[in-house]
Amino acid sequence: GPKVLQIPSHQIIDMGQMVTLNCDPVSNHLYFYWYKQILGQQMEFLVNFYNGKVMEKSKLFKDQFSVERPDGSYFTLKIQPTALEDSAVYFCASSLRDTLYFGEGSRLIVV
Amino acid sequence: GDSVTQTEGPVTVSESESLIINCTYSATSIAYPNLFWYVRYPGEGLQLLLKVITAGQKGSSRGFEATYNKETTSFHLQKASVQESDSAVYYCALGGSALGRLHFGAGTQLIVIP
Repeated sequence: GPKVLQIPSHQIIDMGQMVTLNCDPVSNHLYFYWYKQILGQQMEFLVNFYNGKVMEKSKLFKDQFSVERPDGSYFTLKIQPTALEDSAVYFCASSLRDTLYFGEGSRLIVV
Repeated sequence: GDSVTQTEGPVTVSESESLIINCTYSATSIAYPNLFWYVRYPGEGLQLLLKVITAGQKGSSRGFEATYNKETTSFHLQKASVQESDSAVYYCALGGSALGRLHFGAGTQLIVIP
């Protein structure tokens, strides 16, 4: 089936540094999403993105977070600066309509 | 609010036995809820197992079935005879908002014993 690729799969970063998580969505998809899953907890919606704009974001999408997809390349989630509570697995997803296709996740550890 | 509650895992079942994983939802801000089951096999990413977008309908895939019951706000996942290869984490999800946002349950780990 359609594949969403995420890079990196794992990253360890010092608190306060910047991190960028990259997502290569399914090629003809129009909607892009980031979800966050803290170890042992539910997968939670962060943000969705359509036509170059953030359409909806949750309260988990802090001011330190930003997303973009410049020129149809990777869909990125940037966290600047990182905090300890940002440690989680971040899942990217894309969709054409109502079915989301997910990547395998990027595990971020902030130390 | 909009939320999903599912059977707390892990659930352990012997091979060839039947399975049910319960899922109930609350959709206060979604006019026409869509319901999904996603699965994550060991070492793999989350993938769609089945979906139903119309109340009263049943979805099926890989021997699994789930019926969208609007009266009981449920979408239980069932399989008549599980296999060891079904061992995975199963997530019930609620969608249907205009922007495609999904609300996930906590996930249920299924362990099938050969």
